[in-house]
Amino acid sequence: SQQGEEDPQALSIQEGENATMNCSYKTSINNLQWYRQNSGRGLVHLILIRSNEREKHSGRLRVTLDTSKKSSSLLITASRAADTASYFCAIIKAAGNKLTFGGGTRVLVKP
Amino acid sequence: EPEVTQTPSHQVTQMGQEVILRCVPISNHLYFYWYRQILGQKVEFLVSFYNNEISEKSEIFDDQFSVERPDGSNFTLKIRSTKLEDSAMYFCASSVGGSSGANVLTFGAGSRLTVL
Repeated sequence: SQQGEEDPQALSIQEGENATMNCSYKTSINNLQWYRQNSGRGLVHLILIRSNEREKHSGRLRVTLDTSKKSSSLLITASRAADTASYFCAIIKAAGNKLTFGGGTRVLVKP
Repeated sequence: EPEVTQTPSHQVTQMGQEVILRCVPISNHLYFYWYRQILGQKVEFLVSFYNNEISEKSEIFDDQFSVERPDGSNFTLKIRSTKLEDSAMYFCASSVGGSSGANVLTFGAGSRLTVL
C-alpha cells in the first residue's frame, strides 16, 4: 500500500478545543491533500500542500508536511460542532494524477 | 458553485444483475474518476479516465466493471454482474488536472449500491 494509516482513528473533543490528526504515507509525493466527509456524503476538498512546502494555513485549518518522515498533520483550531465529520488525507504521487486516500479520522465535536 | 451530480442516489439490486451508475462531471474538467467506499472503510480508487480512455485502474476494477463517456456530459460506471461485496457507496469525481500535478478533485454526493 502506498498510503499509511491516519491516527487517531477517532477523536472526541469539546467545542472550542483544537483537533489534531496525523497522516503517514510511504511513497514520494507531488502533493498531499485533506478532505472532509460528512456522514453519508461526498468528500469535500479542504487544503492542498505541495511537497516543497512545510506548512499551510486556511482559515482555522493548519496543515504541516514533513517529507523526511513522510507524514502530515491537520490542526483544526477552535473547533465547532459543525466540524464533526471524517477527515481524510490523500496523496498524489510524484508522477501521476491519482488521489490515494488514507483510512480517515472520525472527529466528534461536542457542543 | 459548479458541482458533480450523481444518479441514482440509492439503488437496490439483486445479485447477478447489471447496474449503471451515472455522473455528470463539472463541464470544464478533463479528468474523471470513480471511487468506492464500503461502509465504514476507506475510500478506494477504482479508475481514472482522460481523453476518452482509461488512464489508470486499480486491481478492484476487473472485467466486471466498465466506464464510458457516452456523450459530452455523462460519465458512467457499469457493473456487469453484481456481487454481494459490491455493496458500497460509489463516488464520481472530476478535476481540471494539469501538468503541475496539483490535482484537486471535486466529488459527487455518491450513489449507494445495495446488492441483495
